[in-house]
Amino acid sequence: EAQVTQNPRYLITVTGKKLTVTCSQNMNHEYMSWYRQDPGLGLRQIYYSMNVEVTDKGDVPEGYKVSRKEKRNFPLILESPSPNQTSLYFCASSFSRVETQYFGPGTRLLVL
Amino acid sequence: EDKVVQSPLSLVVHEGDTVTLNCSYEVTNFRSLLWYKQEKKAPTFLFMLTSSGIEKKSGRLSSILDKKELFSILNITATQTGDSAIYLCAVVWGNYGQNFVFGPGTRLSVLP
Repeated sequence: EAQVTQNPRYLITVTGKKLTVTCSQNMNHEYMSWYRQDPGLGLRQIYYSMNVEVTDKGDVPEGYKVSRKEKRNFPLILESPSPNQTSLYFCASSFSRVETQYFGPGTRLLVL
Repeated sequence: EDKVVQSPLSLVVHEGDTVTLNCSYEVTNFRSLLWYKQEKKAPTFLFMLTSSGIEKKSGRLSSILDKKELFSILNITATQTGDSAIYLCAVVWGNYGQNFVFGPGTRLSVLP
C-alpha cells in the first residue's frame, strides 16, 4: 500500500530534550516536506527536500533540522524543543514539487 | 504579507445547502493551486488547478481558477454532514515551483 508514515504519532516531552520525528514513504517520491499546523494559521512549511542530500528552508525553519540521506526517509529533528513548537506536524511527499502531495497521518507534539 | 487568503474562515450550513469557498493568492511565478479536505486527520487531495476557466468536478464538488483575478472557488452542492471539515487551499509558486504555501483554511460545519 502506497503511504507516508510518521513516528511517533503522539509525543509529550520537556523543553530542551532532543527529539526526532521520522517520516518514510514507499512511493519513490523525490519531493518531501515537513509542515506544522496551528489553529488559525493553516499548514506552514518547515523544510522541504527535492531529492537525496538536497534540502531547503520553508517558511518557519527556526528550531528545526532535517536530513535526506535516503530517498524514502526525511526525519525532522528538534535539537532543543521549546513550548512554542507544540503543534501538529505533517510530513508529505510527491513525485515532484508541483505535484499533489500525499500526507502522513500527523504527529501531535506537546513540549512542556 | 499573506500569500494565500481564504474566506470565510468558518461557515455553518444545513444539509442540502450549496456553499462557495473562496481562495485568493498573491505570489510570483504561480504554478498551481490545490484544494484539500481535512477531517480529523491528514489533508486529502481534492483538486489541482493550473489553467484559468477550466472547471474541475468530482461528484458534488467543483472548483475553478481565475489567474487574472488571482482567485479560486470551491463549490459544494447539496451538502451532507460528511462534508464537515476544514478545506485548505494551497498555492505552488516560485521560479522552480519550489514554494508551497497553504491558506488558513475554511472550517465548514454541515448541520443535519
